[in-house]
Amino acid sequence: DADVTQTPRNRITKTGKRIMLECSQTKGHDRMYWYRQDPGLGLRLIYYSFDVKDINKGEISDGYSVSRQAQAKFSLSLESAIPNQTALYFCATSDNGGRGVLGEQFFGPGTRLTVL
Amino acid sequence: GENVEQHPSTLSVQEGDSAVIKCTYSDSASNYFPWYKQELGKGPQLIIDIRSNVGEKKDQRIAVTLNKTAKHFSLHITETQPEDSAVYFCAATPSGYSTLTFGKGTMLLVSP
Repeated sequence: DADVTQTPRNRITKTGKRIMLECSQTKGHDRMYWYRQDPGLGLRLIYYSFDVKDINKGEISDGYSVSRQAQAKFSLSLESAIPNQTALYFCATSDNGGRGVLGEQFFGPGTRLTVL
Repeated sequence: GENVEQHPSTLSVQEGDSAVIKCTYSDSASNYFPWYKQELGKGPQLIIDIRSNVGEKKDQRIAVTLNKTAKHFSLHITETQPEDSAVYFCAATPSGYSTLTFGKGTMLLVSP
């Protein structure tokens, strides 16, 4: 079974709709991340969380919100989707590598979101 | 904040040739430089990383070199194979930070 799962894998929605993307992990990691991937723009960080009570904005958080329901679950919401949020979204996890040390990030398979 | 530039954006090589992907970073405090490989339809996966206390690291056919003075690091793949075809991302992070800044990616195509 996959260590990091994302649901749904594909989603088509309309402008103005609310949508939630879900991420679950069985790796036991404290740290979870949401990235967006666009052609030619690489991976950009939307939000990240280091534990259930910790939520931090990333580079491109406008138009998005997140919820860390448990250590293993981290959800990304688009309150009112717009076409330029059409992209591939990835969840990732990492362990706490210790003070000042960044560990390997483990990515889920991605959710392809299309906003019409 | 950190800014990572990656070149080239696409790279085509013949099977057996070497491939080199280069990245530059802006923050002199950066000290961790991972490389991720993304195969079609999958999430990125770490293939090699280097920390600032070393200048080169090798793992079989792949190697990463780091020049802290010039603030650039490179991925070298020797004896390329068709299964090396993928998108490769470099990343950097300053000491004490807990997030990565990624480059825009390089699509590597290895032709048989």
